Amino acid sequence: EVQLLESGGGLVQPGGSLRLSCAASGFSFSTYAMSWVRQAPGKGLEWVSSINNGGSSTYYADSVKGRFTISRDNSKNTLYLQMSGLRAEDTAVYHCAKRISGYWAFDDWGQGTLVTVSS
Amino acid sequence: QSVLTQPPSASGTPGQRVTISCSGSSSNIGSTTVTWYQQLPGTAPKLLIYSNNQRPSGVPDRFSGSKSATSASLAISGLQSEDEADYYCTSWDDSLKGVVFGGGTKLTVL
Repeated sequence: EVQLLESGGGLVQPGGSLRLSCAASGFSFSTYAMSWVRQAPGKGLEWVSSINNGGSSTYYADSVKGRFTISRDNSKNTLYLQMSGLRAEDTAVYHCAKRISGYWAFDDWGQGTLVTVSS
Repeated sequence: QSVLTQPPSASGTPGQRVTISCSGSSSNIGSTTVTWYQQLPGTAPKLLIYSNNQRPSGVPDRFSGSKSATSASLAISGLQSEDEADYYCTSWDDSLKGVVFGGGTKLTVL
C-alpha cells in the first residue's frame, strides 16, 4: 500500500523559512516523479512544484519560484520542500503526491501538513 | 483567477446524470491531457480520471471524462449521495511550464 506522510508544517513568521518532508513507502520511490500541491483554507488546489524521479529536473509555480526549492533523497525515500521568504498567502495545507508515469496526474496523495504564516 | 474555468457549483438528484465542465486554452487543455480529482470534505484529493478519459482501478464506471479542443467534461451518472464533493480539473500548461488547476466545482446531491 502506498503511503505518503508529510511533516514539518507549523507556524512561521512572514519572511521565515520552513522545510517540509514527505516520507514515502509501499512503492519504488526512485522510479516516480513527485510533486507538492497546496490548498489554502477554504480555497481550491494549487500546484506548487514537481521533481523527476532522479531529481535532475524541477518545476515551480510562478507564485513560489525563487523562494521554494524541491528536492528528494532516494536513499531515504523522502521528498522535501524548502520554503523561504514565506508570505501570508503561503498559508495552506501542503500535500505531497506521486505522479503517474507519463502523465501530469497524481495517483497517490498524502494527508498534508499545515503551514501557517503569521506574525 | 484560475487558468482553467469550472462552474463553482453543480447539483443533481440521486440517480441523475450530471456534467461538470472545464474550459482552458490552446496552451493547456488544447495541447495536453486532462485530469480530474474528487475531494471529499476533510480528505486529500483522489484521482478520478487521467489522460482525458482513463479511470484508475477502483473508480466506478459511473465516472467518465471527455475532451474536445480546449474544453473538457466530467460526467457522473447514477448520482449517489457519496458523490457529494469538490471536483477539480487540471492539466499541464505549455506557456506557464507548470500544472494548472480549475477553481473547483462543489457538487451537491439534493
